[in-house]
Amino acid sequence: KNQVEQSPQSLIILEGKNCTLQCNYTVSPFSNLRWYKQDTGRGPVSLTIMTFSENTKSNGRYTATLDADTKQSSLHITASQLSDSASYICVVIHNNAGNMLTFGGGTRLMVKP
Amino acid sequence: KAGVTQTPRYLIKTRGQQVTLSCSPISGHRSVSWYQQTPGQGLQFLFEYFSETQRNKGNFPGRFSGRQFSNSRSEMNVSTLELGDSALYLCASKGDSTKNIQYFGAGTRLSVL
Repeated sequence: KNQVEQSPQSLIILEGKNCTLQCNYTVSPFSNLRWYKQDTGRGPVSLTIMTFSENTKSNGRYTATLDADTKQSSLHITASQLSDSASYICVVIHNNAGNMLTFGGGTRLMVKP
Repeated sequence: KAGVTQTPRYLIKTRGQQVTLSCSPISGHRSVSWYQQTPGQGLQFLFEYFSETQRNKGNFPGRFSGRQFSNSRSEMNVSTLELGDSALYLCASKGDSTKNIQYFGAGTRLSVL
C-alpha cells in the first residue's frame, strides 16, 4: 500500500533554532518527492522537488534530503523565524502514467519568540 | 500573473443539500486537480482534469463530481451533503512548463450542518 508517514505530528521550537522534519514513504514506483508549506487558511506552497537522483536540495533556509534506498526524506529548517510557523506536507509522486500523488499527514510547526 | 482562485472562500450548507465550488487556474495551465483536506485524513486527492477530460480519480463516492470548461476553469460538485463532507477543498493547477509543480488556491472551507 502506498503510504507517506511524517513525524513529528507537531513541533514547537524557539525562534532562531533549527529543526528537522521527517518523511518516510512506501510509494512505488517512485517519481519524485515534494515538500510543501501550508500557512493557516492558505493553500500549500511548494518548497522543494526532489527526484530519484538528488540527495540534497536547498531553498534558502530550507534544506531537503532524500535517501531513495531507505525511502526517507527530511526537511531541515535553519535559524527558524516566526513566519516558519505552518504545516509542512511531504508529497510523493508515483511514477506511472497518471502521476498520482500520495500526501503525508503533515507536521505542524510552531515557532515561538 | 494571477494565482489560482477559488470561490467561494467559505460556505455553510445543511445535510442533503448540494454544493458547487469553482476554481480558476493560473492562466495557461491546463491541469486542475481537486483535493479534500480534513484534520483527520489530511490531504486526499479527488480528481484531476486536463483539457476538459477527467484524467485521474481518487477514491471518493460518486456524490463528488467535477468538470472543466474550455477556458480550463473547473467546478466541483458535491450532492447529498453529509456531515463528514465538512472540509477545506483545495484546487491546484499545473502547467506544462512547470516541472509538474502544482500551484494551490487558498481553498473553499465547507461546513455542513
